[in-house]
Amino acid sequence: AQSVTQLDSQVPVFEEAPVELRCNYSSSVSVYLFWYVQYPNQGLQLLLKYLSGSTLVKGINGFEAEFNKSQTSFHLRKPSVHISDTAEYFCAVSFSGGYNKLIFGAGTRLAVHP
Amino acid sequence: GAVVSQHPSWVICKSGTSVKIECRSLDFQATTMFWYRQFPKQSLMLMATSNEGSKATYEQGVEKDKFLINHASLTLSTLTVTSAHPEDSSFYICSARIEGSGNQPQHFGDGTRLSIL
Repeated sequence: AQSVTQLDSQVPVFEEAPVELRCNYSSSVSVYLFWYVQYPNQGLQLLLKYLSGSTLVKGINGFEAEFNKSQTSFHLRKPSVHISDTAEYFCAVSFSGGYNKLIFGAGTRLAVHP
Repeated sequence: GAVVSQHPSWVICKSGTSVKIECRSLDFQATTMFWYRQFPKQSLMLMATSNEGSKATYEQGVEKDKFLINHASLTLSTLTVTSAHPEDSSFYICSARIEGSGNQPQHFGDGTRLSIL
């Protein structure tokens, strides 16, 4: 069965420290991978996407992610976080071509402390 | 670009009433829109895929008669929660995908907080 796992439900970190939010998926077919951010009482904003090509993807707000096919992972990283990065982060995977359906991970709450 | 507008952002109503939520793609056309439901501190659960000019495709376990979806134009999809009850209280989010451009992600509205008293 196809699935998406976000290994950490919460990640506390101090301001200006690096952070990695983990995401693994399970699929027997090709995938498209996404990271979205959700601020309180808001919808989701696309941070970055992997469709094909370079496995290192750079997104908005200084975030980047690396697609690792052998480890079926798509971890999100930022070298130095800010208080404003505090939010919920969702990894999502599309298993069928053309974005017909997204499967979301459970989400990771990033809490940045001063 | 790729802005999705959802209205209303917050609605409170009495049990037994019906509530309509609108999802509009403001600067692009969307043959396909998606409706999600999100419970507090949980992930998004896909309820249905809305297709312009045809019937929506509902996910397993979602009541079609409870959650009516209409996608009458390339820029508007509506979700009507019929005879709403307190257990229908939730955060509903829509998304839309830009058509004709192959690999484009879904763009999300800001959600609608529905509270049934």
